[in-house]
Amino acid sequence: DVKVTQSSRYLVKRTGEKVFLECVQDMDHENMFWYRQDPGLGLRLIYFSYDVKMKEKGDIPEGYSVSREKKERFSLILESASTNQTSMYLCASNGDTGYGYTFGSGTRLTIV
Amino acid sequence: QKEVEQNSGPLSVPEGAIASLNCTYSDRGSQSFFWYRQYSGKSPELIMFIYSNGDKEDGRFTAQLNKASQYVSLLIRDSQPSDSATYLCAVNGDKIIFGKGTRLHILP
Repeated sequence: DVKVTQSSRYLVKRTGEKVFLECVQDMDHENMFWYRQDPGLGLRLIYFSYDVKMKEKGDIPEGYSVSREKKERFSLILESASTNQTSMYLCASNGDTGYGYTFGSGTRLTIV
Repeated sequence: QKEVEQNSGPLSVPEGAIASLNCTYSDRGSQSFFWYRQYSGKSPELIMFIYSNGDKEDGRFTAQLNKASQYVSLLIRDSQPSDSATYLCAVNGDKIIFGKGTRLHILP
C-alpha cells in the first residue's frame, strides 16, 4: 500500500522555537506539497517541490521554509514558531501534475 | 484569482437516499477534477477523479463534469452513515485548487 508518512501526529512547541515537520513518501513521486488546514479557511498551500533540491512558494510561505535533499523526503521548517501557526499540517505527493494527491495523515501542531 | 466554490453545508440526507454534492470553478483551462472525502480529524482521501465531460461511475459514487458550465458534481447512491464526512472538490489547471468542502450528514 502506497504511503505518505508524516513523522508526528500531534506536536506541541513553544513560541520562538524552530520546528521541523518531516514527510516521507514511498511512491517515487516527483511532486510534494505542504498545506495547512484551518476551520473556515480550507487547505492553503505553503510550499511545493517538483524535484530534488527544487522548491517553490505557495500561497502562504511567510514564516516557513522547506528542504528537499532526497526525492522521498520533504521537510517543512517553521523558522521561529508563533501562535498563529497553530494548525493541521498536511503533506501530499503525486507522480504527475495531472494526478490527484495522496495525503499523509497530518500533524496537528500547537504553538504555546 | 482562480477559485473553486462549494456550499459549506451541512447537507443532511436520509440513509438510503442519493446525496448530491456540487462544485463550480473559475478557470476554464482546468483539465483534471477530483473529489476527496475527509473524516473529522483525518486527512483527505481521494475517492473520484474525472477528466472528460460526462459521468464516471465507481460503485456507489458518480462524478459528473460539465466543462461548458464549469460545474462538477458527486452523487452518492444508497447513502450510508459512514458517508458522513466533508467532501472537498479539487480542480487542476496549472496547479491544484481546493474548495473549502461540503459537510455531509447522513441521517440514520
